[in-house]
Amino acid sequence: ETGVTQTPRHLVMGMTNKKSLKCEQHLGHNAMYWYKQSAKKPLELMFVYNFKEQTENNSVPSRFSPECPNSSHLFLHLHTLQPEDSALYLCASSQGGIEGEETQYFGPGTRLLVL
Amino acid sequence: GESVGLHLPTLSVQEGDNSIINCAYSNSASDYFIWYKQESGKGPQFIIDIRSNMDKRQGQRVTVLLNKTVKHLSLQIAATQPGDSAVYFCAETFRGRRLYFGRGTQLTVWP
Repeated sequence: ETGVTQTPRHLVMGMTNKKSLKCEQHLGHNAMYWYKQSAKKPLELMFVYNFKEQTENNSVPSRFSPECPNSSHLFLHLHTLQPEDSALYLCASSQGGIEGEETQYFGPGTRLLVL
Repeated sequence: GESVGLHLPTLSVQEGDNSIINCAYSNSASDYFIWYKQESGKGPQFIIDIRSNMDKRQGQRVTVLLNKTVKHLSLQIAATQPGDSAVYFCAETFRGRRLYFGRGTQLTVWP
């Protein structure tokens, strides 16, 4: 256990569905991240939140919408996804701050399949 | 584009042997490096880290070596066990900003 949990662990959705991924960290961290992991590709950073404020959006399509209500919770709202969005979506957290601790701790991921 | 890469995408070793996984990075200003292990069906797990003011750091059965001259990072696993089978990623960062990950090396340990 890394102190970062994600739900659901597996999700199958149609292209017209709306679903949300949830991440929770129990480490007292201030920064949270969403990554996309596709087969045979490096981890792709999607969003970064630091003290609940979005500090980075890595040119992610608007069909992905993040939400960070507090430093412990992070959501990724999904709507009208495409089959190429099928991937493992990983959440991570770190101490954060201006030049905070860099080590990121990952959750187990949500395996998403878009039909 | 990515700034961190790996020399070999796969590595097979016999149980009990030592494993060496290599990583090249391109940003000479990077000051912090991390190795992660990702087992099938799980998220990446922190293994060991090293700062740029160090050349070597040891953990339990793992050692990370940093050669800043040639911008090369390696992870050595002693007495490799079946439980070490996983994908190993290196990551780099500069001043605590975003991490850049390589594609990973698949380590397979056979009896």
